[in-house]
Amino acid sequence: DSGVTQTPKHLITATGQRVTLRCSPRSGDLSVYWYQQSLDQGLQFLIQYYNGEERAKGNILERFSAQQFPDLHSELNLSSLELGDSALYFCASSATGYNQPQHFGDGTRLSIL
Amino acid sequence: AQKITQTQPGMFVQEKEAVTLDCTYDTSDPSYGLFWYKQPSSGEMIFLIYQGSYDQQNATEGRYSLNFQKARKSANLVISASQLGDSAMYFCAMREGRNTGNQFYFGTGTSLTVIP
Repeated sequence: DSGVTQTPKHLITATGQRVTLRCSPRSGDLSVYWYQQSLDQGLQFLIQYYNGEERAKGNILERFSAQQFPDLHSELNLSSLELGDSALYFCASSATGYNQPQHFGDGTRLSIL
Repeated sequence: AQKITQTQPGMFVQEKEAVTLDCTYDTSDPSYGLFWYKQPSSGEMIFLIYQGSYDQQNATEGRYSLNFQKARKSANLVISASQLGDSAMYFCAMREGRNTGNQFYFGTGTSLTVIP
């Protein structure tokens, strides 16, 4: 158990819809990261938050947005969903410092029909 | 330039043999950390091993060891005595010290198949 909790585990929805993915980081971790992994693909970095503030942005579409709340949990909002958004979405958290690993949640598997 | 390069899309190894998965990195930061993750077919990402840029010795964790060659900027993962359960995708990652965001950079991964 990594200590990172992601909900829901599975999500099935239709094109054009909006969904929210939720992540609770490990206790004490201030950084939260979101990744997208399409079928048989690598990890695509989306966005990072540190203690409530956006720290780094990757290839995140304008239709996607995220935030980190005062209790450090984070949400990833995906809107106007397209078939190509079907993927495994990971949340990870880490402590501060370059020697600290990321710990991943189990992911949310999003299927767009 | 790519921060992390994994040049082996797929690797095969006989059960009980050792295998080396390659990883090279690019950074000008003297302080950095290198990480390896395993992703089995079930999908979860599992942290395996860490090597710091100032570490004098290669990191080891059970059957996993890291062949760290700083001058060549390589951090290869060595899995000894391969088991069927080692079949998975393996990702190399780096985190820089001076990067205020402490962003992680991942390679594209290597798919390892252990043959009985």
